[in-house]
Amino acid sequence: AQSVSQHNHHVILSEAASLELGCNYSYGGTVNLFWYVQYPGQHLQLLLKYFSGDPLVKGIKGFEAEFIKSKFSFNLRKPSVQWSDTAEYFCAVNVYNQGGKLIFGQGTELSVKP
Amino acid sequence: EAGVAQSPRYKIIEKRQSVAFWCNPISGHATLYWYQQILGQGPKLLIQFQNNGVVDDSQLPKDRFSAERLKGVDSTLKIQPAKLEDSAVYLCASSLVWGLAGGQMDEQFFGPGTRLTVL
Repeated sequence: AQSVSQHNHHVILSEAASLELGCNYSYGGTVNLFWYVQYPGQHLQLLLKYFSGDPLVKGIKGFEAEFIKSKFSFNLRKPSVQWSDTAEYFCAVNVYNQGGKLIFGQGTELSVKP
Repeated sequence: EAGVAQSPRYKIIEKRQSVAFWCNPISGHATLYWYQQILGQGPKLLIQFQNNGVVDDSQLPKDRFSAERLKGVDSTLKIQPAKLEDSAVYLCASSLVWGLAGGQMDEQFFGPGTRLTVL
């Protein structure tokens, strides 16, 4: 069965530090890739997505992610985090032509210290 | 535009009782999803509707869970009878469609969820 693995359960950073959250998936075929974010007390919302083309995708609020097909990875990055980035981050995969199902990782909680 | 609405926001029941959740998707969205999110895990799809037809219910525990989307708009998810392990947040999401040209996928918009505690 397809699965998504996020390596870090809880990350604590100081403001202005750089961020990289790991995401790996297990499926050999074509996939759509997503990062969702859930700020405290808010809904899950889309941060960025990759369908095809340039493997480096940019999202909202200065986030970007790089798809490395050979490593089955889709890591999320931000060069300089802010206190307002404190949230839970979920990586998700959708398998081509298998419906709209999103397969989520277990999430990474990011705490940014001011 | 208004987002995905869900009610109730919180529900506490005892095991073996029944419970129902309601979802109103974004206007015009043909596709509706129910996900279950257990504490410490990512959401897991329970069922996907396209209008009022079921696209995928492979992970729905059909002996106790049921869902319907009459008239292709609102949806209800029911659990009968509830078990302790059903304690979770139940998320509803909607999208205009789910399949786009070239295999791409339309964005899913999530509601606030219903937090269910089974005692």
